[in-house]
Amino acid sequence: SAVISQKPSRDICQRGTSLTIQCQVDSQVTMMFWYRQQPGQSLTLIATANQGSEATYESGFVIDKFPISRPNLTFSTLTVSNMSPEDSSIYLCSVPTGASSYNEQFFGPGTRLTVL
Amino acid sequence: LAKTTQPISMDSYEGQEVNITCSHNNIATNDYITWYQQFPSQGPRFIIQGYKTKVTNEVASLFIPADRKSSTLSLPRVSLSDTAVYYCLVGASGGGYNKLIFGAGTRLAVHP
Repeated sequence: SAVISQKPSRDICQRGTSLTIQCQVDSQVTMMFWYRQQPGQSLTLIATANQGSEATYESGFVIDKFPISRPNLTFSTLTVSNMSPEDSSIYLCSVPTGASSYNEQFFGPGTRLTVL
Repeated sequence: LAKTTQPISMDSYEGQEVNITCSHNNIATNDYITWYQQFPSQGPRFIIQGYKTKVTNEVASLFIPADRKSSTLSLPRVSLSDTAVYYCLVGASGGGYNKLIFGAGTRLAVHP
């Protein structure tokens, strides 16, 4: 199993500002994933973060809005830039477990973001 | 990735068995069926995964018919703590880490 922590756990921000969310894993992992969960909705994949290369973004998400860093195999950050109230969501990171089942992932506790 | 369809919500009572069915008519030959559970204010948690027939672990059972176009997650004797959203996902396993594409999920409410 993997232990994943996220910082901050929650924040309230003003529109037009940016927030950087940190994801720390207790073991080295090749890939990390960032998701967004809007209030009352399911999870939507934002991007896949690979160590040593550019993140791969899903349709509807762009690097200018959600820049991602992956400086090493245990850490990643997601920045939500130039925020608007529509960015109010829970942001979660996840990592594969490394078991034979590649569909099994561990999720962090999430960062609850409210934009005023 | 194959699309999945689940009931939006279900209600049950403590001690009952709950069966949540997921339709995935376009499942591919190498796709596995995976279920996640999400409690309020927490990230999703892997429950079970299967390819065909039946899989059982300490938490749940997963029944998959021969045509694999649907699957049923079975939770035995639910308790109040099983109140959560349950997601059915279909995608390839093995050969590389997979993006998880979540559907709408089924919101299960267990009542006393």
